[in-house]
Amino acid sequence: QKEVEQDPGPLSVPEGAIVSLNCTYSNSAFQYFMWYRQYSRKGPELLMYTYSSGNKEDGRFTAQVDKSSKYISLFIRDSQPSDSATYLCAMSLSNTGNQFYFGTGTSLTVIP
Amino acid sequence: EAQVTQNPRYLITVTGKKLTVTCSQNMNHEYMSWYRQDPGLGLRQIYYSMNVEVTDKGDVPEGYKVSRKEKRNFPLILESPSPNQTSLYFCASSQLTGTGRYEQYFGPGTRLTVT
Repeated sequence: QKEVEQDPGPLSVPEGAIVSLNCTYSNSAFQYFMWYRQYSRKGPELLMYTYSSGNKEDGRFTAQVDKSSKYISLFIRDSQPSDSATYLCAMSLSNTGNQFYFGTGTSLTVIP
Repeated sequence: EAQVTQNPRYLITVTGKKLTVTCSQNMNHEYMSWYRQDPGLGLRQIYYSMNVEVTDKGDVPEGYKVSRKEKRNFPLILESPSPNQTSLYFCASSQLTGTGRYEQYFGPGTRLTVT
């Protein structure tokens, strides 16, 4: 079983829709949860960073962590064509800056 | 501009021919990592480094070597490449921020094909 599971999609939505992306994980010791966005032919860029359970909002993006269910989500409101990318979830055991575990990524296309 | 650079961006080589992929960061970050990205498997960490002369294995270190002789550089060495090392490789660096989190910055990637 992989440490982090993520539905690869692809996911296709109309512009303006609310997008929900999810990951599940098996290791209850994970404490730090991240979402990265990766455009085609580019490296991943950090989008959201959350510690432990709860919600975090940044503009149109909301990250949720439910440690009891080992489940994290990223919501994108009012999706735009520029949001079309692959979204990767990532987790780490502690805030030591060295080991991160990534999901396989979900490919999202927002249709104008 | 703060960035992580990798060279080369594209490389086609033959089995057994030693190669090095360079990685350099200009942010004075302590932590650096190498990942490979494969379809259906996502990003997997190969090696990481906590500082100069301090390196450790990630999840998939077999067939790879690294060195960290200078803080800014973290080259990835394939002594005897094999076709199963055909992949997209990313270098990343990170540092503890003022908000108490480690933000990883990724390079643009190196697409390696081993025939």
